[in-house]
Amino acid sequence: AQKVTQAQTEISVVEKEDVTLDCVYETRDTTYYLFWYKQPPSGELVFLIRRNSFDEQNEISGRYSWNFQKSTSSFNFTITASQVVDSAVYFCALSVRARSNFGNEKLTFGTGTRLTIIP
Amino acid sequence: NAGVTQTPKFQVLKTGQSMTLQCAQDMNHEYMSWYRQDPGMGLRLIHYSVGAGITDQGEVPNGYNVSRSTTEDFPLRLLSAAPSQTSVYFCASSTGSLPYEQYFGPGTRLTVT
Repeated sequence: AQKVTQAQTEISVVEKEDVTLDCVYETRDTTYYLFWYKQPPSGELVFLIRRNSFDEQNEISGRYSWNFQKSTSSFNFTITASQVVDSAVYFCALSVRARSNFGNEKLTFGTGTRLTIIP
Repeated sequence: NAGVTQTPKFQVLKTGQSMTLQCAQDMNHEYMSWYRQDPGMGLRLIHYSVGAGITDQGEVPNGYNVSRSTTEDFPLRLLSAAPSQTSVYFCASSTGSLPYEQYFGPGTRLTVT
């Protein structure tokens, strides 16, 4: 069975501070995908990034960066110079193959981290 | 291209009533799924489908039925609503192949009294 743990339930930082959201996952599969989604106060789910288990390169996209470490089963997300618009609930998720001919059948989500950026 | 659409956006039911949450996608995606979101629980998979005529159970399937007669539609049926089914429901679709991104609908907020 798969499991995703986001131990930080809520985080508050002052605007322009950097903040890191932690994600630890568990799976016995060797092929898997990790995701981060953002859920702003409006409620929709916004895809941020996907990373497969064979690619441990860190990724940077503007103020966002992701650190994937298989050795510690972690996929952490850092926001640099946070802004009020970053206030949202962030979900980390994991998917593995459920059938041999398909990929990404089932997403297992963490419980989310509510991030509040204080102006 | 509307993406993933869900209707209704809000619904209030009385215990024991039945209803169907609608989900449609116009991206010709093979894979569709239903999740429920509850406070402190994240999103949990209810049912999913890897193609027309093929469905399977997720983590929390009890009390819900699904069918997939077309590629575009994946309705979720509550046969006898219970207060424990009060939640926000999200439908999602994906191609089932790279890049494996799931596209989510806007959600349906269901309250069962």
